[in-house]
Amino acid sequence: EAGVTQFPSHSVIEKGQTVTLRCDPISGHDNLYWYRRVMGKEIKFLLHFVKESKQDESGMPNNRFLAERTGGTYSTLKVQPAELEDSGVYFCASSQVKGTGELFFGEGSRLTVL
Amino acid sequence: QKEVEQDPGPLSVPEGAIVSLNCTYSNSAFQYFMWYRQYSRKGPELLMYTYSSGNKEDGRFTAQVDKSSKYISLFIRDSQPSDSATYLCATRSYTGKLIFGQGTTLQVKP
Repeated sequence: EAGVTQFPSHSVIEKGQTVTLRCDPISGHDNLYWYRRVMGKEIKFLLHFVKESKQDESGMPNNRFLAERTGGTYSTLKVQPAELEDSGVYFCASSQVKGTGELFFGEGSRLTVL
Repeated sequence: QKEVEQDPGPLSVPEGAIVSLNCTYSNSAFQYFMWYRQYSRKGPELLMYTYSSGNKEDGRFTAQVDKSSKYISLFIRDSQPSDSATYLCATRSYTGKLIFGQGTTLQVKP
């Protein structure tokens, strides 16, 4: 069974540009999460989808970040326009069961904003 | 104050040593505690999971939670070079989101 896949693995863009990160969760997992780790800090929650609905987006830093999950399958996270402080590793995770269900993480998308 | 505090290390031990990794947390309402292991350039993977206080053992790994002191520990016995990774403690909020510590980088030298 395929795990959580993320694309691209690494993206280097200039300040002010747009980047879209994609996450394909494990098939059948209704819960999809985005997390982010910036340099020297802990991994922090961004948002949570249940199917195509945003369940919790309390961790989204500002309105430059837009997450979608059309059709309840894959998800995209767009950053527009990117700022230097957006650099970090963006992790996607999925789980079958909300609450105590184990989260399975992807390998992350590393974003570098110059 | 961070909700979960963890010393980032790095921690370097010789092969065969007993490793002790620790975290503290601030909210006494937290009930679920996890340890994730993350190899370089990979995503975190769940290592151990405990509910409330007590110990849980899985092979060479023991997770311990002391709710009275808000202290979470992970012990690794007979450490191996393959255990070299970043270990992240985490708890789960009532909404289900994970709250991570900063992670401790462990190196086990042959």
